[in-house]
Amino acid sequence: EDKVVQSPLSLVVHEGDTVTLNCSYEVTNFRSLLWYKQEKKAPTFLFMLTSSGIEKKSGRLSSILDKKELFSILNITATQTGDSAVYLCAATGANSKLTFGKGITLSVRP
Amino acid sequence: DTGVSQDPRHKITKRGQNVTFRCDPISEHNRLYWYRQTLGQGPEFLTYFQNEAQLEKSRLLSDRFSAERPKGSFSTLEIQRTEQGDSAMYLCASHFRATSGPDEQFFGPGTRLTVL
Repeated sequence: EDKVVQSPLSLVVHEGDTVTLNCSYEVTNFRSLLWYKQEKKAPTFLFMLTSSGIEKKSGRLSSILDKKELFSILNITATQTGDSAVYLCAATGANSKLTFGKGITLSVRP
Repeated sequence: DTGVSQDPRHKITKRGQNVTFRCDPISEHNRLYWYRQTLGQGPEFLTYFQNEAQLEKSRLLSDRFSAERPKGSFSTLEIQRTEQGDSAMYLCASHFRATSGPDEQFFGPGTRLTVL
């Protein structure tokens, strides 16, 4: 059965800190790894990763995939209170359905 | 706004009643997925359609659940004889699946179901 595990499950930091969120996966016929941000509503897309070692960046957020070790990390630098949310990692297999982890709750304190 | 809409946004019902949710995907998307999310958990896959064909159903989808996508456009998810354990956010997502290409799925706002 496909599985995605995220760690830590929750994190509290202060504004300006840098955080690293972890995601490991076991998915048959793996196609892609996706990160979403969820703030009390539907998930919003952040990144999709398909190739190992290629970093994707968007402002203060960046992510990378290691297909050999089957994990991905999401980095957030210079955190702001607006980054407080649940960060979901999901992996897709042959049928493109998303298998999600439980999510990481990030709280950024002023 | 991703372009995926769901209706209703909230539904409160009594145990034993039937409920139906609707999802309108982005028009050119051939794939439509339903997920269920309970508090403190990530979304869990329920079922998906390619055009009008339902290609996979999760074992989470008991026989009280049925989904349709009659013309390959909008989809409905019906829950019969609701139970308190059905209380959750029901999410719909769509994307265009080609032989290769991105798997990014666009989520609707969700329907939050509360069963009393």
